[in-house]
Amino acid sequence: GAVVSQHPSWVICKSGTSVKIECRSLDFQATTMFWYRQFPKQSLMLMATSNEGSKATYEQGVEKDKFLINHASLTLSTLTVTSAHPEDSSFYICSAFLARDYGYTFGSGTRLTVV
Amino acid sequence: TQLLEQSPQFLSIQEGENLTVYCNSSSVFSSLQWYRQEPGEGPVLLVTVVTGGEVKKLKRLTFQFGDARKDSSLHITAAQPGDTGLYLCAGPSGGGADGLTFGKGTHLIIQP
Repeated sequence: GAVVSQHPSWVICKSGTSVKIECRSLDFQATTMFWYRQFPKQSLMLMATSNEGSKATYEQGVEKDKFLINHASLTLSTLTVTSAHPEDSSFYICSAFLARDYGYTFGSGTRLTVV
Repeated sequence: TQLLEQSPQFLSIQEGENLTVYCNSSSVFSSLQWYRQEPGEGPVLLVTVVTGGEVKKLKRLTFQFGDARKDSSLHITAAQPGDTGLYLCAGPSGGGADGLTFGKGTHLIIQP
């Protein structure tokens, strides 16, 4: 089946540094990918929609200058958390839409810890 | 953004019991999906329901979409410890971006 590969699985960084998370569609092309954030014991919250070849669309309340999204090819979207702070520590998950009956496929997530 | 209310938030039952998880909204959804998520992993799609009144079965799991397409339920028969996990309902966010809005999830624990 269609797979979305997300790396890294976990990362620890110092406060003030930037971290890049990659999301690749392995056997299909994804013109649109989605980035979610999930805090412990909470549900997924849509952060932004990544569009190949154009600017990302951010949900209300998400700082586009802090969470930089790049979708340079049909198989790769990246999320860069800039100047990370401890409150950015979370589980970040990417997703791509397959088709109506197959729904969305999700990456395995990235656990970000900012110390 | 359309909201999804999921209940119960936590449920711990004995192996062999039946349970139902509910997903409700005041908005009409074109479709609803149910996912299961294990700790440290991304959600995995269980089912998509698109027609009002639709019932889908996946082994011991039965999914129903309300007639008005505002609610859905997940019923598990004879629960097993392997059913333990976070169950999430989700639907189109309605914001034009085609992303999903998720319910808060039901943390299910099946005790042996």
